[in-house]
Amino acid sequence: GESVGLHLPTLSVQEGDNSIINCAYSNSASDYFIWYKQESGKGPQFIIDIRSNMDKRQGQRVTVLLNKTVKHLSLQIAATQPGDSAVYFCAENAYLGGSYIPTFGRGTSLIVHP
Amino acid sequence: KAGVTQTPRYLIKTRGQQVTLSCSPISGHRSVSWYQQTPGQGLQFLFEYFSETQRNKGNFPGRFSGRQFSNSRSEMNVSTLELGDSALYLCASSFGRGRGNTEAFFGQGTRLTVV
Repeated sequence: GESVGLHLPTLSVQEGDNSIINCAYSNSASDYFIWYKQESGKGPQFIIDIRSNMDKRQGQRVTVLLNKTVKHLSLQIAATQPGDSAVYFCAENAYLGGSYIPTFGRGTSLIVHP
Repeated sequence: KAGVTQTPRYLIKTRGQQVTLSCSPISGHRSVSWYQQTPGQGLQFLFEYFSETQRNKGNFPGRFSGRQFSNSRSEMNVSTLELGDSALYLCASSFGRGRGNTEAFFGQGTRLTVV
């Protein structure tokens, strides 16, 4: 079946550095993409989303880039802080039956060292 | 406003038993989706309910079922539990109307252990 995968299972950075988390997706019908952050013992938290008619979207300290040609998206976190330490998931969404059906990546663990 | 509430937080069941998990969405949200999260398979979509109707379903056996009530609260049921059903079960709610208002808010999950 189709799946979303992440290239790096663990990313360690120093506080203040910029972090980049990558994700490959496979379903060409997906037109909506979301990044989630999951801290230990909590459910995933929405960070930022992007639709397929865009290639870049910025939020507060985060930027998502979408490259539909190679089916790749990335999450950039500027000036990474210890509070950013968590597992980050990307999700591709295909619209079906009146709603979006998500397929999640396996997750990347971001570790920020003070 | 109150977030998504899942009960119970932790549950231990024996193989062959059945279990019911509950999810109360954010007020005003009519869509509730359920997910299974395991270390081996990651986060997988189970099904989504909108206005008491199952709108979409993932690739899980028929032992996994759900329903939604008129107040948008949802339950999921797993019958004939197997060891492999041990997982964190998450629900998420959203407005669920069309391609807009798609941001989903997750609960903290129910940790199910099957022994």
